[in-house]
Amino acid sequence: AQKITQTQPGMFVQEKEAVTLDCTYDTSDPSYGLFWYKQPSSGEMIFLIYQGSYDQQNATEGRYSLNFQKARKSANLVISASQLGDSAMYFCAMNEGGSEKLVFGKGTKLTVNP
Amino acid sequence: EAQVTQNPRYLITVTGKKLTVTCSQNMNHEYMSWYRQDPGLGLRQIYYSMNVEATDKGDVPEGYKVSRKEKRNFPLILESPSPNQTSLYFCASSLIGKGRDTQYFGPGTRLTVL
Repeated sequence: AQKITQTQPGMFVQEKEAVTLDCTYDTSDPSYGLFWYKQPSSGEMIFLIYQGSYDQQNATEGRYSLNFQKARKSANLVISASQLGDSAMYFCAMNEGGSEKLVFGKGTKLTVNP
Repeated sequence: EAQVTQNPRYLITVTGKKLTVTCSQNMNHEYMSWYRQDPGLGLRQIYYSMNVEATDKGDVPEGYKVSRKEKRNFPLILESPSPNQTSLYFCASSLIGKGRDTQYFGPGTRLTVL
């Protein structure tokens, strides 16, 4: 079974609008971390945001926020006020049980239209 | 500047010709790992290292070797490359046990095996 599922292979959004990228995860470990990375066409992996399983509040980093719904095992990324430079692949990832190993989803390609 | 460096960034080689991709970090991180990225599969871990002289297999170790003789370096060795090892490779590093501490990724090495 996949540990990280990203069901949206591609998403389109108009510039200045908000967009939500979906991520669900599967783990029986009570201690885990959830990450989102951005990969532009140049190829590098850029860390965006982190949510720990024990964090009480949803994580936010500038225009990025993580909608963490623990009971549903979902960790959706919300990008507000989309910009053309947000066009990229976005990966959700998880580590669990104190391990440093990241398990990645297959990614969502976001295209921001002017 | 804190960073993970990889060399080469691009490499085209032929089947069976041994090659090494170097990885170096300047953050005194204990944990280092290699991932490969293939279209539609996300990133998958090849090998990881918890510290000097401590390496272990990830999810897709076949056809690869690693070594960790110094804390800062973690080379990936392909003794006899094959076309199915054509991929985008990332080295990553992090501190261990720091909870929300993120993994720092190198810029990636795009390998083509003919």
